[in-house]
Order: sequence, then C-alpha cells, then structure tokens
Amino acid sequence: GAGVSQSPSNKVTEKGKDVELRCDPISGHTALYWYRQRLGQGLEFLIYFQGNSAPDKSGLPSDRFSAERTGESVSTLTIQRTQQEDSAVYLCASCLQGHQADTQYFGPGTRLTVL
Amino acid sequence: KNEVEQSPQNLTAQEGEFITINCSYSVGISALHWLQQHPGGGIVSLFMLSSGKKKHGRLIATINIQEKHSSLHITASHPRDSAVYICAALGIVNTGNQFNFGTGTSLTVIP
Repeated sequence: GAGVSQSPSNKVTEKGKDVELRCDPISGHTALYWYRQRLGQGLEFLIYFQGNSAPDKSGLPSDRFSAERTGESVSTLTIQRTQQEDSAVYLCASCLQGHQADTQYFGPGTRLTVL
Repeated sequence: KNEVEQSPQNLTAQEGEFITINCSYSVGISALHWLQQHPGGGIVSLFMLSSGKKKHGRLIATINIQEKHSSLHITASHPRDSAVYICAALGIVNTGNQFNFGTGTSLTVIP
C-alpha cells in the first residue's frame, strides 16, 4: 500500500486477555518501530526492527510485551495478560534503512482500551 | 536516559506570527527528529537533523550539537499549523536507549 497500515484501528479487551496488534510497513522499508502513547502523555519508544531482528528491545515495558517481524514485512506486537495501564494508542512507523538517516512514516495507530 | 525538554508546553499565536519551539536534551545524540501530531492523532515526521539547519516550506529546524539544543521555527503561521510538535532525540547506536521524546508543544494558531 501507499503508507503504513495498522490493524485493528480500535481494540477493546478485558483485563487479563492477550491482544495482537499488527503493522504493515511501507513495502521495501527495512526498519520498523513500535511506539506507545498513553492518553495525555508523550510518545514512548517500545522496540525497533532492522530487517527481522530487533537490536533494541529496551523500551518494552514488561515481559508481557513481545514483538516479531517476518519476511522483513509485517510485524505483530503482542501483549499478554493485558492490564489497564496498557491502554494507549500503539503506533508503528517504518523507514527505508535505519533510524539515523531516514524519515519515519507513521501508521494511524491502534487504540487499545483495557477494561 | 536522555532527558528531553520542550518549551513552551502550550502556545497560542495569531495567524501570520513567527513561531519558535525549543527542544533541549541532556546527552549527546546521533540525530534529532521533529514530529507533528495532528488533532486526529496522525503523526508526520517533519525533519531529521544531525547538524546545522534544514528548511521545508515555512518550516525551519536548527540544531546546535554543542549546546544540545534544537529549535523549530514556523514562519507566517496559519491555522492549519495547529498541532502538537514533538522532538525526539536519537541516541548513539547500541546504547540500548535510542529514542527519547519530548512531551510535545501544543500549538494553536488563531485566524
């Protein structure tokens, strides 16, 4: 597609359930990023992928969070045993090569609400 | 952790005014991004800077590596510039803490 897409756009879940968020980057972009934005707060970096590997997982807030990327394309962010504090907009971005050199293109985000 | 501070937090301007948003960071970086977040939530990357100055239309971004400071300027501001502007400091590769964001500057331009 023309831009970064994310699905679902909205997700409401009950506390304790697992959720999967999907990101489809721009075709050919080797770098992919996940961010989180809680209501009224700034952006937080979660993880980034260079190809299919994740050199930096330091932003993941707990071991309930994991992410993978396959085929240098789609990425999924999985949150296990969701908690209310996980409620946020989860944003994905991609860029052509690597974060130091390139413009990042953001997806529209997935709004996660944990009841 | 790189502390990134933006000022002002909120800014209201009349259409046509020259606007400056500032960003300071505490640790040396490899690059700095300026992002624009529209009221609907969509984020657009405006600039990536590692030195000097960049210009795109009415937007100008500067960075002073020695002073650990960057500014975003908007000339001839327009109501459509109303958005939250965020700076993001990119750390040195392999430090394990690569992205630190400012809390954003909410800009409202009044016609």
